Amino acid sequence: NAGVTQTPKFQVLKTGQSMTLQCAQDMNHEYMSWYRQDPGMGLRLIHYSVGAGITDQGEVPNGYNVSRSTTEDFPLRLLSAAPSQTSVYFCASTPPGVADTQYFGPGTRLTVL
Amino acid sequence: GESVGLHLPTLSVQEGDNSIINCAYSNSASDYFIWYKQESGKGPQFIIDIRSNMDKRQGQRVTVLLNKTVKHLSLQIAATQPGDSAVYFCAEKTGGGNKLTFGTGTQLKVEL
Repeated sequence: NAGVTQTPKFQVLKTGQSMTLQCAQDMNHEYMSWYRQDPGMGLRLIHYSVGAGITDQGEVPNGYNVSRSTTEDFPLRLLSAAPSQTSVYFCASTPPGVADTQYFGPGTRLTVL
Repeated sequence: GESVGLHLPTLSVQEGDNSIINCAYSNSASDYFIWYKQESGKGPQFIIDIRSNMDKRQGQRVTVLLNKTVKHLSLQIAATQPGDSAVYFCAEKTGGGNKLTFGTGTQLKVEL
């Protein structure tokens, strides 16, 4: 996984609660991204960042916020969780000098009741 | 091959046989392709990649073939082992930036 870490590994929320999924890497990766994975569907891009201070929306950004204050960290925030956000969330990053390959973290399994 | 839906296509092979997993990609302008392996409860693991200026690329026990004419990508695994059991999916990149579009995956089951 090229050293991408994610916490927590599991989380259960009630509808309307907020939380932050953490993603970190200490290898100076510039590009970082968040995906969600749902049964029978391919990974879908939520938000991404090409470097500290720069973020942009992916395919399914609604209900999620991100920030990139440092190169190392790229947290994903759910401001008001909904059952439709029940999913497995993966963070990925691209090492410098490797233009396109993305390496994934171990994932966070989120259930919203 | 891969398809959209609730049930992943499954490929069952005997240990020691060769496996071929297929992927039909969507965009003729895609210029970079990756195969990932995902074991249950784990994140996707990079296996091998190929750029659109190549037709074939080999790694350790794996080969990726790219047919741009029919927009088809395949992953060949030689001498399949029980540890190869996982979901395999392809991803394509189109244009600049790092955005990837992912397929839904194929479940590979290795029978002893």
